[in-house]
Parts: sequence; C-alpha cells; structure tokens
Amino acid sequence: GAVVSQHPSRVICKSGTSVKIECRSLDFQATTMFWYRQFPKQSLMLMATSNEGSKATYEQGVEKDKFLINHASLTLSTLTVTSAHPEDSSFYICSARDQGGPAKNIQYFGAGTRLSVL
Amino acid sequence: AQSVAQPEDQVNVAEGNPLTVKCTYSVSGNPYLFWYVQYPNRGLQFLLKYITGDNLVKGSYGFEAEFNKSQTSFHLKKPSALVSDSALYFCAVSLPGRLTGGGNKLTFGTGTQLKVEL
Repeated sequence: GAVVSQHPSRVICKSGTSVKIECRSLDFQATTMFWYRQFPKQSLMLMATSNEGSKATYEQGVEKDKFLINHASLTLSTLTVTSAHPEDSSFYICSARDQGGPAKNIQYFGAGTRLSVL
Repeated sequence: AQSVAQPEDQVNVAEGNPLTVKCTYSVSGNPYLFWYVQYPNRGLQFLLKYITGDNLVKGSYGFEAEFNKSQTSFHLKKPSALVSDSALYFCAVSLPGRLTGGGNKLTFGTGTQLKVEL
C-alpha cells in the first residue's frame, strides 16, 4: 500500500512553545490530508481536513488559531501546535487520501506523533 | 450524521480459531466501509474496504469482511487467528463525496482490542 511518513514520532516540549508536525505522502499525490487526535484507549477524532492550496477545514470545537495547518504541496501537510500547553499532550495522526486508481478513497495513515507538553 | 458502533471493547480468541470483530454503522445513503488495524504507538494500517460490488471483501493478512445492508453491519473475520493478529481494530465509514473540500471524511468506531492467545 501507499506510504505516509509522519515526523517527528515523538516530541517533548515546554509549555508555551510551538511544535510543528510534518506529514508526507511518499509515493502518491494527496490533494487532501487529514489530521486526527487520539487520546489513550480512545478512537480517532478528526481535527481538520487539509486541502492543498487552500485553507483547512476545521471540525467543530477545534481552534484554528491553535492548530495551524499548511498544505503547500501535493505531498506535504504540516500541523503546528501553537503555544502548547499540557492539555495539548496527545497522539496526533495524519492521513492522506490517494487520488485515484484502485486505492481511490482509501486514507493511508502516518505512524503518529506523541506530543508531551511539560 | 454518520456513526459507527463496535460493541465489543475486547475480543479474546485462541490461536487457530476463527475470529470475528463486530461493526455496525448508521448512515444515510450508500456507505464506504473500512477496517484498519493499529499496533501500539503506531498509526493505522489499512486492511480492507467495501465500496460496491460483492458483499464479501477480502483484505490483507487473511482478513475478510462481509457487508450486510439489511443489518447495517460490516463484521471483520479471519478463519484462523494468529498471535500476531493481536492489536486494536477500527471500523470506519464515510459517504461518497467530492474529492476535495472534505469529502470522504472517515468516522471511526471506538475500536476493539483483539487478543489472540496460544
């Protein structure tokens, strides 16, 4: 299947700093990428849909000024957690949707980023 | 609104025995259905999907799932479980939509922890 690379896999930061997470589709182009948040032993909650060349679409309750999303190319989306606080500590996972062929409609997921804010 | 229910938090099965992980969905329209597997501290791996066609879908690692429209179910099955199948399994649903602007957003179930023992 298609490969989505997410970096870093783990980050520890001080409260008040900003953290950038990268999501890359390595062998396919993705007009649309998705950012999820997963709490321990819970399901994935969609935070936002990242659209190449346009503004992201945020889910209800997600602060767009807090979680900045940039999708500057067909293979890269970034999520920046601004002024992080301990309550932002979580597992963040990105996915990219393959545009065509037999893999159309399938979302491929990155390995996730464990964010710990001290 | 679309929703997914995975009624079992955990399923235990002996190696070599058949396994079933249950999933039911609620959606208006014809759904796209997916199964993903997650290993500890990792992202989700795609297992299989139902879009249209045969109700029995075969996927990766010997897994299969049967779409039952009348029962609105999409149970995951495997004829003979392996210890290495032990992981967290997620069922997900989306609706056909535009390829941009947030179409095909996935809604996940709460996950079922599968434990295969010797």
